[in-house]
Amino acid sequence: DAGVTQSPTHLIKTRGQQVTLRCSPKSGHDTVSWYQQALGQGPQFIFQYYEEEERQRGNFPDRFSGHQFPNYSSELNVNALLLGDSALYLCASSVIHLGNEQYFGPGTRLTVT
Amino acid sequence: SQQGEEDPQALSIQEGENATMNCSYKTSINNLQWYRQNSGRGLVHLILIRSNEREKHSGRLRVTLDTSKKSSSLLITASRAADTASYFCATDTPSGYSTLTFGKGTMLLVSP
Repeated sequence: DAGVTQSPTHLIKTRGQQVTLRCSPKSGHDTVSWYQQALGQGPQFIFQYYEEEERQRGNFPDRFSGHQFPNYSSELNVNALLLGDSALYLCASSVIHLGNEQYFGPGTRLTVT
Repeated sequence: SQQGEEDPQALSIQEGENATMNCSYKTSINNLQWYRQNSGRGLVHLILIRSNEREKHSGRLRVTLDTSKKSSSLLITASRAADTASYFCATDTPSGYSTLTFGKGTMLLVSP
């Protein structure tokens, strides 16, 4: 049973560019949450998707957007990249009504130069 | 914003010793969870304790929760070098769809 997978593992982009990160949830999970983790900090919640809709959003600008597909996989898009967007982006999956134990993927390391 | 604050920020011990990490939070919670992270990679779920529980055990892990003081502690007994990692507490607040709010973490170094 595959756990949460994310792609790509590493990514280097230039300021002003756009990036798309991908996540496949653990089998049987229907909810995907995205987190941003800056160096030396704890993860910060970006948004959560359930039933292909954004259900909850953290304190992130509209440059951050996402999507969930019918197979529950999800994408995170970031437009007009800033140097401060450099971070580890973590995807977590869970089952909506099971006490919110979340399973995390290995993350995508994004570097903006 | 960070809800939980772990203490200490860093902890260095010898193999076989016990490690205790503390977490304080600010608002009411549904549950509190502890995660481990190795070398800046994905988070591994360790244990979940609900707001109506006071103590929970899992192998060498013991978690306590004091909702009156808005604090939790994680005890790792008989530490091993493989326990070297960053440990985070995360709170799930009773506000609509559940999301996690993490602290800044405690970096644990266990020396052989």
